Amino acid sequence: GQQVMQIPQYQHVQEGEDFTTYCNSSTTLSNIQWYKQRPGGHPVFLIQLVKSGEVKKQKRLTFQFGEAKKNSSLHITATQTTDVGTYFCAEPSGGYQKVTFGTGTKLQVIP
Amino acid sequence: DSGVTQTPKHLITATGQRVTLRCSPRSGDLSVYWYQQSLDQGLQFLIQYYNGEERAKGNILERFSAQQFPDLHSELNLSSLELGDSALYFCASSVAPFSDSPLHFGNGTRLTVT
Repeated sequence: GQQVMQIPQYQHVQEGEDFTTYCNSSTTLSNIQWYKQRPGGHPVFLIQLVKSGEVKKQKRLTFQFGEAKKNSSLHITATQTTDVGTYFCAEPSGGYQKVTFGTGTKLQVIP
Repeated sequence: DSGVTQTPKHLITATGQRVTLRCSPRSGDLSVYWYQQSLDQGLQFLIQYYNGEERAKGNILERFSAQQFPDLHSELNLSSLELGDSALYFCASSVAPFSDSPLHFGNGTRLTVT
């Protein structure tokens, strides 16, 4: 089956430090989505990337889609305690009917 | 508020029992997805429906079944429950069955099997 690897699994950072999570797929993707799940909450859609090499920004968050459309990254600049949570990438699979989530990166921000 | 409603919020039951989890999608969304999330684990795709039809299946156990009704709400039935079925079950909805539609998640049903 489709493998959606995310690294790292956990990341502890000091408040103000940067953070990056990477998502790697075994197949070429049509698009990739990113979600954030706060502790005790449900996943919330952040963004979708479609084009090869695409870069999108949301305030301190920068999302990139690889040139080969097989990997993606999420970078947070100057983390804040509100960034705490688990970040998931999500990929289409099974003929576009199924959305497979990555293993997730759990971010802890130390104030 | 995502607009996706899941009931009940919590469910505690014994091994061997059967439970039904309910999901009402966002207004206008035709597609419903079910995911299982065990403690500190990722989101495992179970099944997807679009406008009443099953469209995709993940690693869903034979003891589990689901359906989507004409009013678009969906139910996930879990039977012959085992301790390992304890998890958070999320329902998500989207406008279309294609994966370029963002998923909107409900708050989940936390199932505890004792």
